[in-house]
Amino acid sequence: DIQLTQSPSFLSASVGDRVTITCRTSQVINNYLAWYQQQPRKAPKLVIYAASTLQSGVPSRFSGSGSGTEFTLTISGLQPEDFATYYCQQLNIYPWTFGQGTKVEIK
Amino acid sequence: QVQLQESGPGLVKSSETLSLTCTVSNGSIGSYYWNWVRQPPGKGLEWIGFVYYTGTTVYNPSLKSRVTISVDRSKNQFSLRLTSLTAADTAVYFCARERVTKGFDTWGQGAQVTVSS
Repeated sequence: DIQLTQSPSFLSASVGDRVTITCRTSQVINNYLAWYQQQPRKAPKLVIYAASTLQSGVPSRFSGSGSGTEFTLTISGLQPEDFATYYCQQLNIYPWTFGQGTKVEIK
Repeated sequence: QVQLQESGPGLVKSSETLSLTCTVSNGSIGSYYWNWVRQPPGKGLEWIGFVYYTGTTVYNPSLKSRVTISVDRSKNQFSLRLTSLTAADTAVYFCARERVTKGFDTWGQGAQVTVSS
């Protein structure tokens, strides 16, 4: 299985901050990487797919980048509704796998 | 827009079989991949498998011996069957629609399943 390792696992930030989450994969995944946001007790919500394509309806302060085995999710200007847990997922080789999650909390 | 809704028992006994159904509304079950994902309490997401609308399936090898996912196009539903349950199967189970290589763009609200001894 392809392993996905997110860093950090936890980060504390303030409204307005720029935050970056990294996802490293154990193999090259041809940019078939998605990012999700999950609020407590809610289903995940797709934020980014194909490493850098913003899902329809998602604010433009979210952006994704990367290639090969290292990918990043950046939130430019953190808003109160962005405090959540974020997961990366690879969709290149079965089984689909997720990172362990990064929890973004209010400082 | 398309909506997904899981249904099934919230409490099942150890060694028994879990059956969950996901109903697709405001859209067709055709031309997409339909997935199941679970999340144990306080933990991350685990992909269980998917069924294509034609009935083709792919499962996570970690669960493959116990999982069956099927589709009923006439009812616009797909289902999960998980056998030989243990406490480790206690989780919230989500159904989700996948666009090929583009992630899971639509999710159900999740169904809490508790396995009791």
